[in-house]
Amino acid sequence: EPEVTQTPSHQVTQMGQEVILRCVPISNHLYFYWYRQILGQKVEFLVSFYNNEISEKSEIFDDQFSVERPDGSNFTLKIRSTKLEDSAMYFCASSRQENTEAFFGQGTRLTVV
Amino acid sequence: GDSVTQMEGPVTLSEEAFLTINCTYTATGYPSLFWYVQYPGEGLQLLLKATKADDKGSNKGFEATYRKETTSFHLEKGSVQVSDSAVYFCALGYGGATNKLIFGTGTLLAVQP
Repeated sequence: EPEVTQTPSHQVTQMGQEVILRCVPISNHLYFYWYRQILGQKVEFLVSFYNNEISEKSEIFDDQFSVERPDGSNFTLKIRSTKLEDSAMYFCASSRQENTEAFFGQGTRLTVV
Repeated sequence: GDSVTQMEGPVTLSEEAFLTINCTYTATGYPSLFWYVQYPGEGLQLLLKATKADDKGSNKGFEATYRKETTSFHLEKGSVQVSDSAVYFCALGYGGATNKLIFGTGTLLAVQP
């Protein structure tokens, strides 16, 4: 069964460093998303991406964040200068069309020290 | 704004016990409602959904009814198994081009043999 895969499963980075979280969505999906969950808090929407551009972003998704689909298969989330409060579980998701089920990856746990 | 509130966990039950996980929501429009489940080491998986008031979603013995009058979408199962141990997330969404989901904090269910 096709699935969304995320790498790495856990990343530790120093404050101020750039980090790139990688996701391989399901191959025939057209809509891509990033969510995050700070420990003990809600899963929060960050950004949605369609047709090579951002379709919506939340207040969390400030200038430190960017997304890219560099090669038609990967979907990446970049955090330019990480802060301690960026420590969270980051989930990638994809869906075939709008209004259809989003399939989630297993998450990347980012720890900023 | 829209939000989802879930009961605090963890919920610990014995095998074959009855399960209820409460979920209430606040919505400005008429969202669809979802339950997602995350098994250890895996991504979020859609468990069931309901798209309008009084709809009942069901899957794998789990059920939830979309109650507009009480703004609730409680998850129930008549007889839980050890294999149901997971984190359960209630969510709402409006679909559309963004297909954004708004999640609750998640409820950890531990079923003991």
